[in-house]
Amino acid sequence: SQTIHQWPATLVQPVGSPLSLECTVEGTSNPNLYWYRQAAGRGLQLLFYSVGIGQISSEVPQNLSASRPQDRQFILSSKKLLLSDSGFYLCAWSVLNTIYFGEGSWLTVV
Amino acid sequence: QKEVEQNSGPLSVPEGAIASLNCTYSDRVSQSFFWYRQYSGKSPELIMSIYSNGDKEDGRFTAQLNKASQYVSLLIRDSQPSDSATYLCAVTNIGGATNKLIFGTGTLLAVQP
Repeated sequence: SQTIHQWPATLVQPVGSPLSLECTVEGTSNPNLYWYRQAAGRGLQLLFYSVGIGQISSEVPQNLSASRPQDRQFILSSKKLLLSDSGFYLCAWSVLNTIYFGEGSWLTVV
Repeated sequence: QKEVEQNSGPLSVPEGAIASLNCTYSDRVSQSFFWYRQYSGKSPELIMSIYSNGDKEDGRFTAQLNKASQYVSLLIRDSQPSDSATYLCAVTNIGGATNKLIFGTGTLLAVQP
């Protein structure tokens, strides 16, 4: 069966510091991968999605970037965090047209 | 107008009752519809998907879709305190593409023991 792992689970970062969140999927090959953000009291916002290695589409302009160095690895990064980057970040993968989420990463920028 | 709308709640029901959660969407060409459950502080988990008009049942859960009226609902029979969570409705608006999946902001369900 397929599983998705995401880390770290929680982190507190100062404004202006870099960010790296990592996600890996097991049990499948060539998955579509996604990064979502859920801010407090708001809905899920799609940040990036990828259909293959090195193929990244950005849905909204922002202070973040994504990379897919391997088929089942997806990384979310920032060079300098802003306070507004705080939120719950979710990696996800899809099979057919259904999306499944990882455990999520809570980011607090202080 | 929001693309996917849900009443934020909280919807409070007594244990054993039927909980009815509703969702409306704006894009008539929407094709795939999903319900996710999200416990506080956790990630969303898929409960059901529905693609055709009518009802789809899975255990205590029934999803209902009415494309003419542009709404989708989730019924939870014999509600349990463990069903207390936020329920997210999600809709694809173009050809079922997952990158076009739009989420509502969710309805908070509270099942009272």
